[in-house]
Parts: sequence; structure tokens; C-alpha cells
Amino acid sequence: AQTVTQSQPEMSVQEAETVTLSCTYDTSESDYYLFWYKQPPSRQMILVIRQEAYKQQNATENRFSVNFQKAAKSFSLKISDSQLGDAAMYFCAYRSLETGGGADGLTFGKGTHLIIQP
Amino acid sequence: KAGVTQTPRYLIKTRGQQVTLSCSPISGHRSVSWYQQTPGQGLQFLFEYFSETQRNKGNFPGRFSGRQFSNSRSEMNVSTLELGDSALYLCASSEGFSYNEQFFGPGTRLTVL
Repeated sequence: AQTVTQSQPEMSVQEAETVTLSCTYDTSESDYYLFWYKQPPSRQMILVIRQEAYKQQNATENRFSVNFQKAAKSFSLKISDSQLGDAAMYFCAYRSLETGGGADGLTFGKGTHLIIQP
Repeated sequence: KAGVTQTPRYLIKTRGQQVTLSCSPISGHRSVSWYQQTPGQGLQFLFEYFSETQRNKGNFPGRFSGRQFSNSRSEMNVSTLELGDSALYLCASSEGFSYNEQFFGPGTRLTVL
């Protein structure tokens, strides 16, 4: 079974600065997706960014970008110019694409609580 | 388009009872997945439905079941409730299978007394 590890339970960053959230995963598969989800205090989970494992280019969405290192099984999220609205729990997630895979749906890490200091 | 809706938003039950939670996906979405979120275990996958068929099931006891209707709406049922079933239950929908972008609902907060 796949596992996703987020080693930082909590991170704090000053507004307008850059912060990087870490995520590592363990899998023997080669075809999969990786996701970063944001869960603000309102509790509605929102997709931040998605990376297909077969793509070497790192995904970018406005102020959010990832550093995907497939060999190292690492998938970190960088948030540039942090804003107060970025404060939330951030979850890293894995989804298998291989035949017979996906039996576990999305596998989530434990999450990182991001605090933005004004 | 309206987002994913879940009803009820809050629910209080006692041990031994059963409960049914409902999820209405975004219009046109055919895949619905359910997750349980607790402080201790985090987010755990329950099951996934696509076109009324259960495609995948997580590692939960048989007390947890679900179904999907022809209009893609989904229900999950928990029988013989235990204290440990207290959790936020999240539903997510996607156009195709759930490796496409999943859109989450606000969740149903279940408290078992």
C-alpha cells in the first residue's frame, strides 16, 4: 500500500514571504497523480495543484508551485508571496493510475497546518 | 454550477443506531468518493462509486456501506454506530474517475454519543 508522509505538522510564515511544505511518498508504481489540497477553517477541501507522475515539468498555479522529484519520491509545495487567506491545513495526496490500482482512492498525508503571520 | 452538497451538515446519534448520509455531486459528475476525517487517523478513503457501481473500497468494516443512484447522488450508511465513528465525512465528485480533479463537499459532522 502507498503511504504519504508530511513531516511538518505546523509551519509559520510572515505575510508576503515564501514557504515550502514537504511531502514524501512511498510507492512501487510508476503511474500516479499527486495532489496538494487546502482545507481552510471552513472545512471545504480545495484542490491547489496537481502533478502527473509522467510529466517531468513541475506544475505551477499562480503563486503555488511544486518541486516534484520522482526518484526521491518527493513532492513539495512552494507558496510565494504568502497571503492571510493561505492560512489552512494543507494535505498532500496520492492516487494510483495503474490497472487494478486506485483501490485506495486518494491516500492523504496527515497534513501541515500553515499559519500566516501578519 | 452548484457545488457538491452534503446533508445533513451535523448529526448526533447514539451508539448502536444507524445513520444515512447523503451527497449530491456537481451536475454532470459521475464519480462520487467518500472519506472519513478524524483527528487521530486523518483522512481515510471509504469507497468510490462510478455510474452506480462501487469501484473501490477502503479498509473499513462492513458496517460502512454505500450506494449511488442513477442521478449520481450517493448515500453512505453506517450501521451499529460506535463512538469511534465520530468524524467528519467528506464526499467528493469528479467528472470521470477520481484521479481527475475531485471537488469536495462541506462534509457531515457525525457525533456518536
